[in-house]
Amino acid sequence: GESVGLHLPTLSVQEGDNSIINCAYSNSASDYFIWYKQESGKGPQFIIDIRSNMDKRQGQRVTVLLNKTVKHLSLQIAATQPGDSAVYFCAEIEAGNMLTFGGGTRLMVKP
Amino acid sequence: GAGVSQSPSNKVTEKGKDVELRCDPISGHTALYWYRQSLGQGLEFLIYFQGNSAPDKSGLPSDRFSAERTGGSVSTLTIQRTQQEDSAVYLCASSLGPGQLYEQYFGPGTRLTVT
Repeated sequence: GESVGLHLPTLSVQEGDNSIINCAYSNSASDYFIWYKQESGKGPQFIIDIRSNMDKRQGQRVTVLLNKTVKHLSLQIAATQPGDSAVYFCAEIEAGNMLTFGGGTRLMVKP
Repeated sequence: GAGVSQSPSNKVTEKGKDVELRCDPISGHTALYWYRQSLGQGLEFLIYFQGNSAPDKSGLPSDRFSAERTGGSVSTLTIQRTQQEDSAVYLCASSLGPGQLYEQYFGPGTRLTVT
């Protein structure tokens, strides 16, 4: 079946720099996308979402960009902090309620 | 406020034994989901409960897996005759309602190790 995946398994950034985490999806019918953050030993935590009728959505220090033409989703984190170190998953909603998750990208923030 | 809770947090069992994993959703949440997360992998959907409707079991990997939700609240995921490939973190999530408008809140997970 169609799936969601990530380009980079590990991303290492310097504290204070901006981070960009990418995600490719293949289900053109998906119309809702979510980014989750998962810290070690914890469940995923919702960060930000975007609907397919939008190209960009901003939150606090985070921005999600959606490019439907190339089926690409990205999460931008401004002024990355040590507390941002975690695994980040993109997910899409399909079949009504079932989230399909990508494999995750580990973000490591160097002090 | 109280979030989604799961118990036990860790479970080690011998191959062939049955295990029960428990999920307490957020009070008032009508939707409940079970996911499985293998080491270094994304989350795999297992089963979905919405109110009193029949659950969506389309993600259960085999007939050794079953789940129930009593009284529209607490849910139990049961794995019979466990195998080593069942080793994973089992995550439960709940949401206020069905569909895309409702954010899913995840519990901390139960780490299952089958020896």
